[in-house]
Amino acid sequence: KNEVEQSPQNLTAQEGEFITINCSYSVGISALHWLQQHPGGGIVSLFMLSSGKKKHGRLIATINIQEKHSSLHITASHPRDSAVYICAVHTGNQFYFGTGTSLTVIP
Amino acid sequence: NAGVTQTPKFQVLKTGQSMTLQCAQDMNHEYMSWYRQDPGMGLRLIHYSVGAGITDQGEVPNGYNVSRSTTEDFPLRLLSAAPSQTSVYFCASGGIEQPQHFGDGTRLSIL
Repeated sequence: KNEVEQSPQNLTAQEGEFITINCSYSVGISALHWLQQHPGGGIVSLFMLSSGKKKHGRLIATINIQEKHSSLHITASHPRDSAVYICAVHTGNQFYFGTGTSLTVIP
Repeated sequence: NAGVTQTPKFQVLKTGQSMTLQCAQDMNHEYMSWYRQDPGMGLRLIHYSVGAGITDQGEVPNGYNVSRSTTEDFPLRLLSAAPSQTSVYFCASGGIEQPQHFGDGTRLSIL
């Protein structure tokens, strides 16, 4: 049973393309997190959302609580955006994670 | 400001050995947690703590112990290592219901 489902699993884009990664979840949550994991393995937090939309530079994250769905958008993608993007939900004191979307941006 | 410090970065153990993975944070965070990351499965919560003296089990706690005697430290103990515990382990800390800060990970192999 996967509480968090991400799609697509793998994504290849040309530099400059608009990218969307989707996340659906099945549990009640207090917040949803988007994380980025670089090829070296380090994990950084990009966004924490409980409603609406957040923007940071070329990254935009949205959440629809009623539909239990979130999207991460990257505008004007760049090779340095190549990484694994992970969706995680916070419910109670526990976190559940998607399996990640591996993004490769080709120059 | 060191953030979240995990040691060691790499470790090889033999089946049945015990060891402790160290995790320390200097941000006065209440919430600390340990995860394992396996291919195709995503991160899974092992144990977590909401403050000094308080720990609880996550999704995959069997074979692991934790303690939280101080706000800063949250060690993870493998009591008797098994090959199924070969994984990459991450420690994280943050305020409760705040963004989490992750350590660099420990790559653990058990032979």
